[in-house]
Amino acid sequence: DIQMTQSPSSLSASVGDRVTITCRASQSISSYLNWYQQKSGKAPKLLIYAASSLQSGVPSRFSGSGSGTDYTLTISSLQPEDFATYYCQHSYSFPYTFGQGTKLDIK
Amino acid sequence: QLQLQESGPGLVKPLETLSLTCTVSGGSISTSSYYWGWIRQPPGKGLEWIGSIYYSGSIYYNPSLKNRVTISVDTSKNQFSLKLNSVTAADTAVYFCARHDRWGTVGFDSWGQGTLVTVSS
Repeated sequence: DIQMTQSPSSLSASVGDRVTITCRASQSISSYLNWYQQKSGKAPKLLIYAASSLQSGVPSRFSGSGSGTDYTLTISSLQPEDFATYYCQHSYSFPYTFGQGTKLDIK
Repeated sequence: QLQLQESGPGLVKPLETLSLTCTVSGGSISTSSYYWGWIRQPPGKGLEWIGSIYYSGSIYYNPSLKNRVTISVDTSKNQFSLKLNSVTAADTAVYFCARHDRWGTVGFDSWGQGTLVTVSS
């Protein structure tokens, strides 16, 4: 199985900050990498697919990049509604696996 | 607009079978472009993919659960289902159903709201 490791596990930031979350796969996943946002008590929401493609309706302050084993999610200017937990997930092959999550809270 | 809705018992006794159904509305489960999957999340923890099924019956399971899990599809009802047998407290989780494309290029783009299943006597 491909293991996904996110860092950091938690992050405190302020409104307006630029934030970057990283995700590393245990082998190359050829950009089959997706990012989700989850708010408390809600289902995850797809933000970025194929490493860098913005899902329809997602604000442009969210962006993704990376290749091979290393990927990043960047929020260019944090908004109050962005404080949530973020997960990466690979879809390179079954079994699909998720990162352990990064909890983003208000500093 | 596509909607997915999980249904099933919220409480299951240890060693019994957990059974959930996901009803798809606003679109056909028989589309050639998508798999239909189950994901779970224990309280306060991360997400775990359980398995996915294609409308024709092709199925993939998480190896960590493979000997206990069965996923099936009923195209006539536009539903797919999850059965997990011999449950323990470790299976207590919110269970989500979700859709993903068959090529792995888009990820899980549509989700149900999730349903909490507690394993307890």
